[in-house]
Amino acid sequence: DTGVSQDPRHKITKRGQNVTFRCDPISEHNRLYWYRQTLGQGPEFLTYFQNEAQLEKSRLLSDRFSAERPKGSFSTLEIQRTEQGDSAMYLCASSQPGGGLNEKLFFGSGTQLSVL
Amino acid sequence: SQQGEEDPQALSIQEGENATMNCSYKTSINNLQWYRQNSGRGLVHLILIRSNEREKHSGRLRVTLDTSKKSSSLLITASRAADTASYFCATQLINTGGFKTIFGAGTRLFVKA
Repeated sequence: DTGVSQDPRHKITKRGQNVTFRCDPISEHNRLYWYRQTLGQGPEFLTYFQNEAQLEKSRLLSDRFSAERPKGSFSTLEIQRTEQGDSAMYLCASSQPGGGLNEKLFFGSGTQLSVL
Repeated sequence: SQQGEEDPQALSIQEGENATMNCSYKTSINNLQWYRQNSGRGLVHLILIRSNEREKHSGRLRVTLDTSKKSSSLLITASRAADTASYFCATQLINTGGFKTIFGAGTRLFVKA
């Protein structure tokens, strides 16, 4: 399978715990996005990378959220001191170089986070 | 922030009927894209229409774009139960750091067999 891979698919955690999600984009895709989606809503932009550089982080994102893409390949999203409001589907997407503004995103199946 | 807003929020039709969903956006665009999402899955790209195009077809999909009204529509003809999904429009927001793809709130389509 050469699509975008996310791990884990589901995560249940207790409030106050830290969680980390991983995304493996399609090989050679240089842009990588993280989105958050709650039931009945569209994907909400969190952050994106071009290669290893994090170019933007949503102003709505608290300091408890951090993302990395250390070698420009896979990425991790960490949430510290989770809160019940963090419960959502976390989606990762990647796009290939050269697409420019016409970029087409390829999505993973997401990580469903439930904070108890 | 959400650039695109879809209308209606939800749509229920019979198999064989056509489904039309609309998207309105706020700023100038280079292109507008439509994605589909089956329940519990990631989004899948359907079609892209450039700002200088007015209409585009792909199989049973027809997309129109009216840049003067800042709106787009997605028409699915002869719908099937398998078309049941959420549909989102997407555009790019450009800033000093680059650009990013953002999505609307989506239209939930239910096609009854």
